[in-house]
Amino acid sequence: DTEVTQTPKHLVMGMTNKKSLKCEQHMGHRAMYWYKQKAKKPPELMFVYSYEKLSINESVPSRFSPECPNSSLLNLHLHALQPEDSALYLCASSQVNEQYFGPGTRLTVT
Amino acid sequence: DQQVKQNSPSLSVQEGRISILNCDYTNSMFDYFLWYKKYPAEGPTFLISISSIKDKNEDGRFTVFLNKSAKHLSLHIVPSQPGDSAVYFCAAEGGNDYKLSFGAGTTVTVRA
Repeated sequence: DTEVTQTPKHLVMGMTNKKSLKCEQHMGHRAMYWYKQKAKKPPELMFVYSYEKLSINESVPSRFSPECPNSSLLNLHLHALQPEDSALYLCASSQVNEQYFGPGTRLTVT
Repeated sequence: DQQVKQNSPSLSVQEGRISILNCDYTNSMFDYFLWYKKYPAEGPTFLISISSIKDKNEDGRFTVFLNKSAKHLSLHIVPSQPGDSAVYFCAAEGGNDYKLSFGAGTTVTVRA
């Protein structure tokens, strides 16, 4: 089983809202990731958690705040986003080399 | 700086024929290479991978070839099927930082 789940599937939020994206995996993977993907572009890495600790932050603006409550869960807290933040947000997990992606959350900022 | 390049943005192939997707990389520290398939509005799906100690890996209709001296890899899909129509991303990693470097993607269209 290589399933990564993400909720919600779609999210529309205003620029003053606070919302959270959730990701879950039950494969016992040691690393979890957040990516942002714009149409017709490759995924763009945002954050990496390794053994529940933040190991990589790709200079992401502070309006995006990741959280890893336990080894199976990964959250992305959103606050005061801009319209240009509208994108597909992908979660992934890996044990060694292969990263397995979730279906993504389609975020629209109005 | 684009370390993984897919120079063909699109590929059209007839159903039943072979699809060949190419990928070049510049970073000699990369030691593991992956191919992902992506449908619109969905997450990428892992297809096949290859370690730098190998030159070929096969899984069903999918074969990946690696030429380390040329820093080039390719994905062969035989035979191509309509469900193969998607965007294919080449990705590479090296070291222990968990980071994948992606190519820009190649859109494959399989014609009936």
